[in-house]
Amino acid sequence: QVQLQESGPGLVKPSETLSLTCTVSGDSINGCYWNWIRQSPGKGLEWIGYMYSSGSTNYNPSLRSRVTMSVDTSKNQFSLKLSSVTAADTAVYYCARDRGSNWPTYNFDDWGQGTLVTVSS
Amino acid sequence: DIQMTQSPSSLSASVGDRVTITCRASQSISNYLNWYQQKPGKAPKLLIYSASTLQSGVPSRFSGSRSGTDFTLTISSLQPEDFATYYCQQSYSTLEITFGPGTKVDVK
Repeated sequence: QVQLQESGPGLVKPSETLSLTCTVSGDSINGCYWNWIRQSPGKGLEWIGYMYSSGSTNYNPSLRSRVTMSVDTSKNQFSLKLSSVTAADTAVYYCARDRGSNWPTYNFDDWGQGTLVTVSS
Repeated sequence: DIQMTQSPSSLSASVGDRVTITCRASQSISNYLNWYQQKPGKAPKLLIYSASTLQSGVPSRFSGSRSGTDFTLTISSLQPEDFATYYCQQSYSTLEITFGPGTKVDVK
């Protein structure tokens, strides 16, 4: 049974960069599509993007200019960086695995518990 | 981008009731529609993908169907553990995956 755990600062100042890591246990990070999804009261659930274990990515166009994802297969981790944050980026951030392996299905069958990130000075 | 709407936004039901939730896409998305269940303080859980395929381990009282751009999630006999918020999500436009606003099912 795969488990995902998000980690990172819970408070980020406006204009700074939000950085989160998702640690995967119980399975290899290789051969899977790993996603970041956030949830805020104002915007509901919002898909941020995915990173494949080989390094290929697909980002939400509305966030693309500010998003960078990376993977560290040696640590079984993948990461999210979101730059120039504002209060609108305050949300619970989830990492999630795509159900597919050879290609992304955009069906998310395993999720982390989520981590609240607040943007405030 | 593809907009997803859900109706109702909330409903009250009793254990044993048949519950139906509707999700409508702003354009054709074929069968690329998924349903999730979320309980307070927890991550969403995948229930159904491709409009009608039950995710492994999900009880058979959950079912999904499609009629054009309208999709339905049905719970045949509501159980105590089913009180939650339900979200639909389209996976047709891979440029921008979008979720519906959610339907909260609470106790009548």
